[in-house]
Amino acid sequence: RKEVEQDPGPFNVPEGATVAFNCTYSNSASQSFFWYRQDCRKEPKLLMSVYSSGNEDGRFTAQLNRASQYISLLIRDSKLSDSATYLCVVPASGGSYIPTFGRGTSLIVHP
Amino acid sequence: DAGVTQSPTHLIKTRGQQVTLRCSPISGHKSVSWYQQVLGQGPQFIFQYYEKEERGRGNFPDRFSARQFPNYSSELNVNALLLGDSALYLCASSPRGGSTDTQYFGPGTRLTVL
Repeated sequence: RKEVEQDPGPFNVPEGATVAFNCTYSNSASQSFFWYRQDCRKEPKLLMSVYSSGNEDGRFTAQLNRASQYISLLIRDSKLSDSATYLCVVPASGGSYIPTFGRGTSLIVHP
Repeated sequence: DAGVTQSPTHLIKTRGQQVTLRCSPISGHKSVSWYQQVLGQGPQFIFQYYEKEERGRGNFPDRFSARQFPNYSSELNVNALLLGDSALYLCASSPRGGSTDTQYFGPGTRLTVL
């Protein structure tokens, strides 16, 4: 199993739709995770952190399923401006400083 | 407040040449990390520096090297360029480089090797 796996998509959804992405990870020792957003030909920017209790920020909800080793990102009421690639990040653990990024999931929101 | 800055923004080199990329972190951040991102993939970790010491190295050949200066800026050097080195090189800074620190990315340097 790869360290971090994401469905590359693209996910094509209409405005207003609810869409969810999953990210699976292999290191069961990982305690926290991140979702970054990357617009086309731009740098990644932090969207939200994910801890055991999950996280919610407006239309965005991130959850952690430790038993099945995946994190999810739910976007409600999608906007055109949500179109981007969403990168899952598993930080370093166990004395390592090497974070692992997934390949990203592409989201396209259309009118 | 200025974000992470990188120079140059674009670079074209030929195989066998050497390249130096530069990064200035956010003021107050002492850790700089370098990533390589090829099209369609997520960023791959190359190095992390904290207080001028290398703290982490990804799975890249010895042709890749880096350093951090007393003012916390950093340089990434790549020798003997290969076609496969063509990618977006991202620099990210964080306060301490801890695993739970948010990383702030610069706009990247797009390297094309011909």
